[in-house]
Amino acid sequence: DAGVIQSPRHEVTEMGQEVTLRCKPISGHNSLFWYRQTMMRGLELLIYFNNNVPIDDSGMPEDRFSAKMPNASFSTLKIQPSEPRDSAVYFCASSLTRTNNEQFFGPGTRLTVL
Amino acid sequence: KQEVTQIPAALSVPEGENLVLNCSFTDSAIYNLQWFRQDPGKGLTSLLLIQSSQREQTSGRLNASLDKSSGRSTLYIAASQPGDSATYLCAVRPGSARQLTFGSGTQLTVLP
Repeated sequence: DAGVIQSPRHEVTEMGQEVTLRCKPISGHNSLFWYRQTMMRGLELLIYFNNNVPIDDSGMPEDRFSAKMPNASFSTLKIQPSEPRDSAVYFCASSLTRTNNEQFFGPGTRLTVL
Repeated sequence: KQEVTQIPAALSVPEGENLVLNCSFTDSAIYNLQWFRQDPGKGLTSLLLIQSSQREQTSGRLNASLDKSSGRSTLYIAASQPGDSATYLCAVRPGSARQLTFGSGTQLTVLP
């Protein structure tokens, strides 16, 4: 298996632009998580899905952030409009709830908002 | 609210030493605990997962222990190597939810 796939790996954009981050979970996994990592706050959960349904989005910073999971093999995290304080590394992770729930992480998307 | 603390924040040891990384958590009602490794500019690699009913897990030179009642876990690395240099993160999954709460990590440097 290729593991969790994220794209793009790096994104540089200007303040006010829309940013879309993409994630393909490990095939067969039914839980998907979006995390954000910054030097100041470490790793924080933004939202997670179970069987394509959002379960907990309490970590989403504000209405500028939205996430979707239209099917079991694809999820997006959108920021509109982006701001410099959104600059961070965004990780996607997946797990299979029928087993030990071990989470596997993608390589991350490094976002820089100028 | 679950809080996870890792001490020390940074550690530097000579090659060949055995070492212990510490993780503590405030709420003992956890489902499992996971140790990750993160190399600079990279994603997280899962090292070991301990279920709440287990006391320890081993993988090669790594051994993780869990004492749920005291809210502590340790990651033991035997015969450290320069390739072990990375940041090690501890994360707990609460019993009632699926998301992980992470510690801030221990940055390990193994000197050749």
